[in-house]
Amino acid sequence: GAGVSQSPSNKVTEKGKDVELRCDPISGHTALYWYRQSLGQGLEFLIYFQGNSAPDKSGLPSDRFSAERTGGSVSTLTIQRTQQEDSAVYLCASSLNNRNTIYFGEGSWLTVV
Amino acid sequence: GESVGLHLPTLSVQEGDNSIINCAYSNSASDYFIWYKQESGKGPQFIIDIRSNMDKRQGQRVTVLLNKTVKHLSLQIAATQPGDSAVYFCAERNDYKLSFGAGTTVTVRA
Repeated sequence: GAGVSQSPSNKVTEKGKDVELRCDPISGHTALYWYRQSLGQGLEFLIYFQGNSAPDKSGLPSDRFSAERTGGSVSTLTIQRTQQEDSAVYLCASSLNNRNTIYFGEGSWLTVV
Repeated sequence: GESVGLHLPTLSVQEGDNSIINCAYSNSASDYFIWYKQESGKGPQFIIDIRSNMDKRQGQRVTVLLNKTVKHLSLQIAATQPGDSAVYFCAERNDYKLSFGAGTTVTVRA
């Protein structure tokens, strides 16, 4: 596609439910990143993929968070048993490789009630 | 922890004036720096980047300056327009990871 595509754009979920957030990177981009942005804050690194492997998961805040990437393209970020503190914008970004410009999607706005 | 930060959280500028947004970084191993613009409700938008082997790079109405001696990065916007109102983030890359500061909110006065 023309840019990084994320879905859903907005999600309201009840505390304790699981959510899945999807990212479709720019075609041909091998590097994929997930970041989290809380209201009025900067971007917090979550996970980095190179191809289908995730050499750096160090930013995932707890074991309730997981992510996968299949076929070197689409990635899914899953949050299990959501908590109110998980409310944030989840941003996906991709890059041709890990030495090139990183482009962001518009984000998935998650609200846990 | 975060290794990149901005000097001022907010900046108010008169339309038509030039804007300067500053950023300090702490990781001397960082080799690539990017400025992003984020409008309300949207994702960060790439503005301009610079590699560590350069000290200045110009784009359309924007210039990025890099001073590695004092680990300082700045973004200059010429003839600021109302559409430039947004939050601006600098980011530094070390290997593959991009680290961000908290951002500067720029408000353009008519």
